[in-house]
Amino acid sequence: DAGVIQSPRHEVTEMGQEVTLRCKPISGHDYLFWYRQTMMRGLELLIYFNNNVPIDDSGMPEDRFSAKMPNASFSTLKIQPSEPRDSAVYFCASSPRQGSQPQHFGDGTRLSIL
Amino acid sequence: AQSVTQLGSHVSVSEGALVLLRCNYSSSVPPYLFWYVQYPNQGLQLLLKYTSAATLVKGINGFEAEFKKSETSFHLTKPSAHMSDAAEYFCAVSDRDDKIIFGKGTRLHILP
Repeated sequence: DAGVIQSPRHEVTEMGQEVTLRCKPISGHDYLFWYRQTMMRGLELLIYFNNNVPIDDSGMPEDRFSAKMPNASFSTLKIQPSEPRDSAVYFCASSPRQGSQPQHFGDGTRLSIL
Repeated sequence: AQSVTQLGSHVSVSEGALVLLRCNYSSSVPPYLFWYVQYPNQGLQLLLKYTSAATLVKGINGFEAEFKKSETSFHLTKPSAHMSDAAEYFCAVSDRDDKIIFGKGTRLHILP
């Protein structure tokens, strides 16, 4: 049973470049979450989707960040333009429903902005 | 709104000793509670969850947690620590249909 798949696992790019992170949730899961993890701020929820529709994007740091979910099996998180302070590990997670069901996490994308 | 507090960002125990990681929550309704573990360079994995059945919940790798409503606690324990238990542990709470809120994590160090 495939878990949540994220790509790339590592990304190193220069400041100002566009970065696109990808996620394939577990089939049948209606909820998809994007998190950012840093030493300073811990695990932060950026945005989540229900049935491909963004429900809460209050955690998105600023307009440079955008997320889409064009279908039930794919989501992207874009940063444009990227800045060094965006360096972090970005996780995607999915769950069959909100609240009572645990979230299943991918292995993350480690992003370094030089 | 719900919240969760993990006491101690770092905990060290000797191999073979009791592991106790503390978690207190705040919730306006009976909560769902979770413990996750994160190994280096990996995502979070579910250890166990409480969903209002038995108050003592058993999870994977010998861990268990007890829901105590009077103390609003959901502490994680393991009778005997193993070197492979070294990881970061996250407590999380959810108010039924609301988002899952994660604690800041506790890094567990196992001393040989």
